[in-house]
Amino acid sequence: SQKIEQNSEALNIQEGKTATLTCNYTNYSPAYLQWYRQDPGRGPVFLLLIRENEKEKRKERLKVTFDTTLKQSLFHITASQPADSATYLCALTGGFKTIFGAGTRLFVKA
Amino acid sequence: GAVVSQHPSWVICKSGTSVKIECRSLDFQATTMFWYRQFPKQSLMLMATSNEGSKATYEQGVEKDKFLINHASLTLSTLTVTSAHPEDSSFYICSATDRDSNQYEQYFGPGTRLTVT
Repeated sequence: SQKIEQNSEALNIQEGKTATLTCNYTNYSPAYLQWYRQDPGRGPVFLLLIRENEKEKRKERLKVTFDTTLKQSLFHITASQPADSATYLCALTGGFKTIFGAGTRLFVKA
Repeated sequence: GAVVSQHPSWVICKSGTSVKIECRSLDFQATTMFWYRQFPKQSLMLMATSNEGSKATYEQGVEKDKFLINHASLTLSTLTVTSAHPEDSSFYICSATDRDSNQYEQYFGPGTRLTVT
C-alpha cells in the first residue's frame, strides 16, 4: 500500500541554522509533491509544490528537492526563526488524490 | 486570497445528536472540496471528495450514511455527522481547490474540533 514516512521525532534546532526535513514514500508515483505547515489546532497552510520533473524549488527561505529515484523529498528552511516552529506535512498527489504524511514537528530555539 | 472558512470552530454535542459543519471558500470558486479527519499526532485522513452539484465520493471505510456531505454551490460544502458517538470526536478539516488556479494546491479551512460526550 502507499506509504509516506516523515520523521516522527521532533526536530530541534537553533535560530539561524538551516532546518532539513525528510519525506520518503513507497508504492507511489506522484505527479506532485507538496509541503504544508500546520500549527496546533489549525488547518494546514500550503507552502510549496514541486512537480515530478522538477528537481528543486525555492521560495524565499524555503527550498524543496524531489528525487523520484530515491522516492524522497527534502524540505529546507534557511536562517530559521522561532516563528518557523510548527509541524510540516508532506503530501503526494497522483491522479486526483492527495495523501498526507503525519508530519514532523520543528522547534526553533532563540 | 484563497481563504477557506469553517464553522463552527469547535462544538460539543451529546451522543446520538447530529452536528453540521460548514466549509466556505470566501474569495474563490472551489472546483472540489475535501473533508479530512485528523487525530492527535496523526496525518490527515481523507474522508470524502465532493464536487459541486454531484454526490460525494467517500473513501473506503467511511460510512456515507453517517457522514453526510452536501456540496450545494461552488463556495459551500457541509458535513453532517449523524448520530454522533464519542469515537467520532476528532478534528475535522475541509479544503478546496481553486477552479481558476492550480488544481492540486489545496486551501485548508481552520478546522472544527468536535467533542461528543
